[in-house]
Amino acid sequence: GENVEQHPSTLSVQEGDSAVIKCTYSDSASNYFPWYKQELGKRPQLIIDIRSNVGEKKDQRIAVTLNKTAKHFSLHITETQPEDSAVYFCAAGSNDYKLSFGAGTTVTVRA
Amino acid sequence: DGGITQSPKYLFRKEGQNVTLSCEQNLNHDAMYWYRQDPGQGLRLIYYSQIVNDFQKGDIAEGYSVSREKKESFPLTVTSAQKNPTAFYLCASSIGQGHNQPQHFGDGTRLSIL
Repeated sequence: GENVEQHPSTLSVQEGDSAVIKCTYSDSASNYFPWYKQELGKRPQLIIDIRSNVGEKKDQRIAVTLNKTAKHFSLHITETQPEDSAVYFCAAGSNDYKLSFGAGTTVTVRA
Repeated sequence: DGGITQSPKYLFRKEGQNVTLSCEQNLNHDAMYWYRQDPGQGLRLIYYSQIVNDFQKGDIAEGYSVSREKKESFPLTVTSAQKNPTAFYLCASSIGQGHNQPQHFGDGTRLSIL
Protein backbone atom coordinates (compact mmCIF):
# COMPACT_ATOMS: atom_id res chain seq x y z
CA GLY A 1 0.00 0.00 0.00
CA GLU A 2 0.85 3.67 -0.12
CA ASN A 3 3.27 5.07 2.48
CA VAL A 4 3.41 8.82 3.05
CA GLU A 5 6.18 10.40 5.12
CA GLN A 6 5.92 13.99 6.32
CA HIS A 7 8.65 16.32 7.64
CA PRO A 8 9.23 18.11 9.89
CA SER A 9 6.97 16.93 12.72
CA THR A 10 7.10 20.37 14.35
CA LEU A 11 7.87 23.77 12.85
CA SER A 12 8.19 27.11 14.62
CA VAL A 13 8.38 30.28 12.52
CA GLN A 14 8.38 33.99 13.19
CA GLU A 15 5.29 35.84 12.06
CA GLY A 16 5.80 37.06 8.51
CA ASP A 17 8.30 34.35 7.62
CA SER A 18 7.61 31.39 5.32
CA ALA A 19 6.88 27.81 6.33
CA VAL A 20 7.60 24.74 4.20
CA ILE A 21 6.37 21.20 4.85
CA LYS A 22 7.57 18.28 2.73
CA CYS A 23 6.00 14.89 2.03
CA THR A 24 7.18 11.85 0.11
CA TYR A 25 5.04 9.00 -1.20
CA SER A 26 5.85 5.49 -2.37
CA ASP A 27 3.12 4.48 -4.84
CA SER A 28 3.74 5.75 -8.37
CA ALA A 29 0.01 5.27 -9.08
CA SER A 30 -0.87 8.11 -6.67
CA ASN A 31 -2.30 11.04 -8.57
CA TYR A 32 -4.11 13.20 -6.00
CA PHE A 33 -2.40 15.12 -3.20
CA PRO A 34 -4.51 17.15 -0.75
CA TRP A 35 -3.37 19.17 2.25
CA TYR A 36 -5.48 19.53 5.37
CA LYS A 37 -5.28 21.97 8.27
CA GLN A 38 -6.54 20.88 11.69
CA GLU A 39 -6.89 23.32 14.55
CA LEU A 40 -6.94 21.98 18.10
CA GLY A 41 -10.07 19.90 18.74
CA LYS A 42 -11.56 20.64 15.34
CA ARG A 43 -12.13 18.80 12.08
CA PRO A 44 -9.47 18.69 9.34
CA GLN A 45 -10.17 21.28 6.67
CA LEU A 46 -8.99 20.97 3.08
CA ILE A 47 -6.78 23.97 2.28
CA ILE A 48 -5.36 23.07 -1.13
CA ASP A 49 -4.97 20.05 -3.38
CA ILE A 50 -3.06 19.16 -6.53
CA ARG A 51 -3.36 16.45 -9.14
CA SER A 52 -0.50 14.72 -10.89
CA ASN A 53 -0.99 16.54 -14.19
CA VAL A 54 -0.01 19.83 -12.53
CA GLY A 55 3.37 20.79 -11.05
CA GLU A 56 2.34 23.74 -8.93
CA LYS A 57 -0.81 25.36 -7.59
CA LYS A 58 -1.23 28.56 -5.63
CA ASP A 59 -4.05 30.06 -3.58
CA GLN A 60 -3.20 33.42 -2.01
CA ARG A 61 -0.49 32.73 0.63
CA ILE A 62 -0.54 28.97 0.14
CA ALA A 63 1.16 27.01 -2.63
CA VAL A 64 1.80 23.35 -3.30
CA THR A 65 4.49 21.89 -5.57
CA LEU A 66 4.66 18.35 -6.90
CA ASN A 67 7.67 16.43 -8.24
CA LYS A 68 6.32 13.19 -9.69
CA THR A 69 9.74 11.87 -10.64
CA ALA A 70 11.07 12.19 -7.10
CA LYS A 71 7.67 11.34 -5.56
CA HIS A 72 7.53 14.30 -3.27
CA PHE A 73 5.28 17.29 -2.78
CA SER A 74 5.52 20.33 -0.55
CA LEU A 75 3.29 22.94 1.07
CA HIS A 76 4.52 26.52 1.18
CA ILE A 77 2.92 29.16 3.40
CA THR A 78 4.19 32.70 2.90
CA GLU A 79 3.81 35.72 5.20
CA THR A 80 2.71 33.51 8.07
CA GLN A 81 0.16 34.82 10.56
CA PRO A 82 -0.78 33.61 14.07
CA GLU A 83 -3.97 32.03 12.67
CA ASP A 84 -1.79 29.73 10.55
CA SER A 85 -0.82 27.89 13.76
CA ALA A 86 -2.30 24.37 13.47
CA VAL A 87 -1.46 20.79 12.53
CA TYR A 88 -1.07 20.25 8.79
CA PHE A 89 -1.51 16.87 7.12
CA CYS A 90 -0.51 15.82 3.64
CA ALA A 91 -2.15 12.87 1.90
CA ALA A 92 -1.83 10.87 -1.30
CA GLY A 93 -4.43 8.90 -3.22
CA SER A 94 -4.96 7.12 -6.50
CA ASN A 95 -8.16 6.06 -8.27
CA ASP A 96 -9.37 3.72 -5.51
CA TYR A 97 -10.99 6.45 -3.39
CA LYS A 98 -8.57 5.90 -0.51
CA LEU A 99 -6.21 8.49 0.94
CA SER A 100 -3.02 7.74 2.89
CA PHE A 101 -2.08 10.48 5.34
CA GLY A 102 1.24 11.71 6.66
CA ALA A 103 1.77 11.89 10.43
CA GLY A 104 1.25 15.65 10.54
CA THR A 105 3.29 18.80 11.16
CA THR A 106 2.54 21.06 14.11
CA VAL A 107 3.15 24.64 12.96
CA THR A 108 3.55 27.40 15.54
CA VAL A 109 3.71 31.01 14.36
CA ARG A 110 5.46 33.24 16.92
CA ALA A 111 4.17 36.78 17.19
CA ASP B 1 -18.51 21.41 6.82
CA GLY B 2 -22.03 21.62 8.23
CA GLY B 3 -23.18 18.83 5.88
CA ILE B 4 -21.54 16.03 7.90
CA THR B 5 -22.82 15.35 11.39
CA GLN B 6 -21.15 13.01 13.83
CA SER B 7 -22.65 11.99 17.16
CA PRO B 8 -22.05 11.80 19.99
CA LYS B 9 -19.15 14.19 20.49
CA TYR B 10 -17.87 12.19 23.46
CA LEU B 11 -18.47 8.49 24.14
CA PHE B 12 -17.38 6.16 26.90
CA ARG B 13 -17.15 2.41 26.55
CA LYS B 14 -17.12 -0.23 29.24
CA GLU B 15 -15.12 -3.43 28.97
CA GLY B 16 -16.82 -5.99 26.72
CA GLN B 17 -19.27 -3.45 25.32
CA ASN B 18 -19.99 -2.61 21.69
CA VAL B 19 -20.61 1.04 20.89
CA THR B 20 -21.87 2.67 17.70
CA LEU B 21 -20.75 6.02 16.33
CA SER B 22 -23.13 7.87 14.06
CA CYS B 23 -22.25 9.70 10.82
CA GLU B 24 -24.87 11.42 8.67
CA GLN B 25 -24.32 13.60 5.58
CA ASN B 26 -26.69 15.71 3.51
CA LEU B 27 -24.20 16.53 0.76
CA ASN B 28 -25.51 13.81 -1.59
CA HIS B 29 -22.04 12.26 -1.59
CA ASP B 30 -21.62 8.67 -2.77
CA ALA B 31 -18.45 7.83 -0.84
CA MET B 32 -18.04 7.80 2.94
CA TYR B 33 -15.08 7.00 5.17
CA TRP B 34 -14.13 6.30 8.78
CA TYR B 35 -10.72 7.28 10.15
CA ARG B 36 -9.04 6.85 13.49
CA GLN B 37 -6.70 9.57 14.80
CA ASP B 38 -4.23 8.92 17.61
CA PRO B 39 -1.92 11.57 19.14
CA GLY B 40 1.15 12.19 17.02
CA GLN B 41 -0.15 10.10 14.15
CA GLY B 42 -1.94 10.81 10.95
CA LEU B 43 -5.40 9.61 10.07
CA ARG B 44 -5.69 5.87 9.54
CA LEU B 45 -8.49 4.44 7.41
CA ILE B 46 -10.82 1.96 9.12
CA TYR B 47 -13.54 1.36 6.51
CA TYR B 48 -14.84 3.11 3.43
CA SER B 49 -17.90 2.83 1.24
CA GLN B 50 -18.14 3.90 -2.39
CA ILE B 51 -21.86 3.27 -2.74
CA VAL B 52 -24.91 2.14 -0.77
CA ASN B 53 -24.86 -1.50 0.38
CA ASP B 54 -21.13 -1.80 -0.33
CA PHE B 55 -18.07 -1.17 1.84
CA GLN B 56 -14.40 -2.19 2.02
CA LYS B 57 -11.89 -2.64 4.80
CA GLY B 58 -9.24 -0.01 5.25
CA ASP B 59 -5.86 -0.40 6.89
CA ILE B 60 -7.04 -1.03 10.46
CA ALA B 61 -10.48 -2.72 10.18
CA GLU B 62 -9.98 -5.37 12.88
CA GLY B 63 -12.37 -4.86 15.80
CA TYR B 64 -14.68 -2.54 13.83
CA SER B 65 -17.79 -3.04 11.71
CA VAL B 66 -19.88 -0.76 9.48
CA SER B 67 -23.07 -0.73 7.45
CA ARG B 68 -24.25 1.41 4.52
CA GLU B 69 -28.00 0.88 4.20
CA LYS B 70 -28.68 4.49 3.24
CA LYS B 71 -26.66 6.96 1.16
CA GLU B 72 -26.78 9.51 3.98
CA SER B 73 -25.64 7.24 6.81
CA PHE B 74 -22.47 5.26 7.59
CA PRO B 75 -22.44 4.13 11.24
CA LEU B 76 -19.31 2.62 12.79
CA THR B 77 -19.48 -0.01 15.53
CA VAL B 78 -16.48 -0.42 17.80
CA THR B 79 -16.71 -3.99 19.03
CA SER B 80 -15.32 -5.57 22.19
CA ALA B 81 -12.67 -7.19 19.97
CA GLN B 82 -11.01 -3.77 19.56
CA LYS B 83 -8.70 -3.84 22.56
CA ASN B 84 -7.40 -0.28 22.27
CA PRO B 85 -10.39 1.80 21.16
CA THR B 86 -9.44 5.07 22.85
CA ALA B 87 -9.02 7.56 19.98
CA PHE B 88 -10.58 10.38 18.03
CA TYR B 89 -12.83 9.05 15.25
CA LEU B 90 -13.47 11.08 12.12
CA CYS B 91 -16.06 10.45 9.43
CA ALA B 92 -15.66 11.93 5.95
CA SER B 93 -17.48 11.93 2.64
CA SER B 94 -16.68 12.74 -0.98
CA ILE B 95 -18.47 12.90 -4.32
CA GLY B 96 -16.66 9.72 -5.31
CA GLN B 97 -17.09 9.80 -9.05
CA GLY B 98 -14.43 7.86 -10.88
CA HIS B 99 -11.37 9.24 -9.12
CA ASN B 100 -10.31 10.86 -5.91
CA GLN B 101 -12.31 13.91 -4.91
CA PRO B 102 -11.83 16.14 -1.86
CA GLN B 103 -12.95 14.53 1.37
CA HIS B 104 -14.97 16.62 3.81
CA PHE B 105 -14.85 15.78 7.50
CA GLY B 106 -17.25 15.82 10.41
CA ASP B 107 -16.39 17.20 13.86
CA GLY B 108 -15.38 13.81 15.22
CA THR B 109 -16.24 11.58 18.16
CA ARG B 110 -13.82 11.13 21.03
CA LEU B 111 -14.08 7.60 22.45
CA SER B 112 -12.66 6.70 25.85
CA ILE B 113 -12.62 3.58 28.02
CA LEU B 114 -14.28 3.62 31.43
